Amino acid sequence: EVQLVESGGGLVQPGGSLRLSCAASGFTFSSYSMNWVRQAPGKGLEWVSYIAPSSSTMYYADSVKGRFTISRDNAKNSLYLQMHSLRAEDTAVYYCARAVGKLDLDYWGQGTLVTVSS
Amino acid sequence: QSVLTQPPSASGTPGQRVTISCSGSSSNIGGNYVYWYQHLPGTAPKLLIYRNNQRPSGVPDRFSGSKSGTSASLAISGLRSEDEADYYCAAWDDSLRGWVFGGGTKLTVL
Repeated sequence: EVQLVESGGGLVQPGGSLRLSCAASGFTFSSYSMNWVRQAPGKGLEWVSYIAPSSSTMYYADSVKGRFTISRDNAKNSLYLQMHSLRAEDTAVYYCARAVGKLDLDYWGQGTLVTVSS
Repeated sequence: QSVLTQPPSASGTPGQRVTISCSGSSSNIGGNYVYWYQHLPGTAPKLLIYRNNQRPSGVPDRFSGSKSGTSASLAISGLRSEDEADYYCAAWDDSLRGWVFGGGTKLTVL
């Protein structure tokens, strides 16, 4: 069974940093591209970042470019999102999601809540 | 403002057929597959339709998807109370180099 479990969310002050993790199991992690998608309170889904299976390619939404860094450790079946210079508008539930390249965004985790507030 | 456009709400009575539209452009829906998700608060979004009109195993055939040009739609027939949820369309966008989503449609079963 495919499982994606996010962790690392919490309360952080504006300008602060946080690192999210996503533990994957039930599939060959190194064969899939991975994504972070977020949902702000009362808002819709917003794609944040993409990383290719071998980490050869990363893409970011304009809203986080230069502040967030996506990475993965295929040996540990783990995906990460390092977030710096956090703003109130980054407050959201962050989901990791699996994809086949740029296709088939299929399985999602349950999400981890990030709250940016003083 | 979402890149893909969906109606914010839809409703129907049990047993009815409801459709949800999703409009995009040539860089996303026009040139790539469309995906549909069902999302309940506090849960992981669930894939309902992939590659425009394919259903993952376990998804009832009451759910169907279609695409034409730069628009797509999700149809739910034989509406049930458990279908009450938020529905999102998505596609890869070649210009933005990332996934784009619709703003979501809240489905109410009356």
